[in-house]
Amino acid sequence: EAGVVQSPRYKIIEKKQPVAFWCNPISGHNTLYWYLQNLGQGPELLIRYENEEAVDDSQLPKDRFSAERLKGVDSTLKIQPAELGDSAVYLCASSLEGGGSYNEQFFGPGTRLTVL
Amino acid sequence: QKEVEQNSGPLSVPEGAIASLNCTYSDRGSQSFFWYRQYSGKSPELIMFIYSNGDKEDGRFTAQLNKASQYVSLLIRDSQPSDSATYLCAVNTNAGKSTFGDGTTLTVKP
Repeated sequence: EAGVVQSPRYKIIEKKQPVAFWCNPISGHNTLYWYLQNLGQGPELLIRYENEEAVDDSQLPKDRFSAERLKGVDSTLKIQPAELGDSAVYLCASSLEGGGSYNEQFFGPGTRLTVL
Repeated sequence: QKEVEQNSGPLSVPEGAIASLNCTYSDRGSQSFFWYRQYSGKSPELIMFIYSNGDKEDGRFTAQLNKASQYVSLLIRDSQPSDSATYLCAVNTNAGKSTFGDGTTLTVKP
């Protein structure tokens, strides 16, 4: 079974430029998460989808960040414009069922973003 | 105060010893508790989960949960150098909200 796929693995951009990350969850996983992880810290949730619905986006900085999961499968996270402080690893995770709290999350390899 | 707190570490133990990792949480509505291991430069992977008060054992790993004290721990017996990693505690509410601690870095010295 293929795991969570993310691309690109690494991205270096200059500040004020746009950037987009893509995630394809494990087949059949209804719940998709986007996290931001800074060095030495745990993952911080940006947005959680149940199928195509964003059920928790309270931590997403909506002035510059946007996300979509149009068909309830793969997802894109965008930053426009990027700031120096956005440099981090962006993790995508998926879990089997929606709405419940008992499901483990499977993480993709992450995208390491560097903003210069 | 963070919603999920872990000992910042680093924690260093000799090979073969027991490593004890601790986690406290603030949301009494929390329903399920997960321990993830994260090697340097890699993404988190699940080690164990626990839902009910008490102990849950899986090989060399034991998770302990005390909901009254809002405390969950992970014990690693017969620690091996390959256990050297950062251990993340994650807490889920019944609404599916998942919150991670900042992790405890464990080093097992040969």
